[in-house]
Amino acid sequence: QVQLQESGPGLVKPSGTLSLTCAVSGGSISSSNWWSWVRQPPGKGLEWIGEIYHYGSTNYNPSLKSRVTMSVDESKNQFSLKLSSVTAADTAVYYCARGEGEEGRFDYWGQGTLVTVSS
Amino acid sequence: QSVLTQPPSASGTPGQRVTISCSGSSSNIGSNYVYWYQQLPGTAPKLLIHRNNQRPSGVPDRFSGSKSGTSASLAISGLRSEDEADYYCAAWDDSLSGVVFGGGTKLTVL
Repeated sequence: QVQLQESGPGLVKPSGTLSLTCAVSGGSISSSNWWSWVRQPPGKGLEWIGEIYHYGSTNYNPSLKSRVTMSVDESKNQFSLKLSSVTAADTAVYYCARGEGEEGRFDYWGQGTLVTVSS
Repeated sequence: QSVLTQPPSASGTPGQRVTISCSGSSSNIGSNYVYWYQQLPGTAPKLLIHRNNQRPSGVPDRFSGSKSGTSASLAISGLRSEDEADYYCAAWDDSLSGVVFGGGTKLTVL
């Protein structure tokens, strides 16, 4: 059973950089899957942030592309998200998820981690 | 403003059948698969329907999906109290080169 676990600071200052890591267990990050980040502002809907393949190929949401960087660490079986120049609008629960097969199909999700942007 | 449009709310009584719609365009639903996710309060989303109408193992056959043109629907028959949740549709968008979600529909079981 694949499990994903997000980790990172729960509080980030405005204009700073949000950094999160998703640890994958029960499966290999080097498998034929895309690995995604999805966020959900409090009381609002889901927003796809982007995805990364294990050899480093990425796709980012055009609305966030200029601020997003994703990376993979195969030795630690984990992938990461960095979101720069954050504002209060970036306050959300951030989920990592595994993409299976075709785009848009997320079969495993982390439990989510709340990141608040505030001074 | 979400790329895919869903009604913000839906409701039904136990045992009823309810449907939730999802409207898109030729660049997303019209040319790609539709997915449905169920999000129970305080939990991560769960894949409910993939490839328009396929259920992952473990998902009851009370849940069904369909797609026609640039719209899709999720139907829940034999409604139960535990179905009370938020439901999201999703699809790949060729123009945006990314995954787009609907705004979500909050289902209330009366």
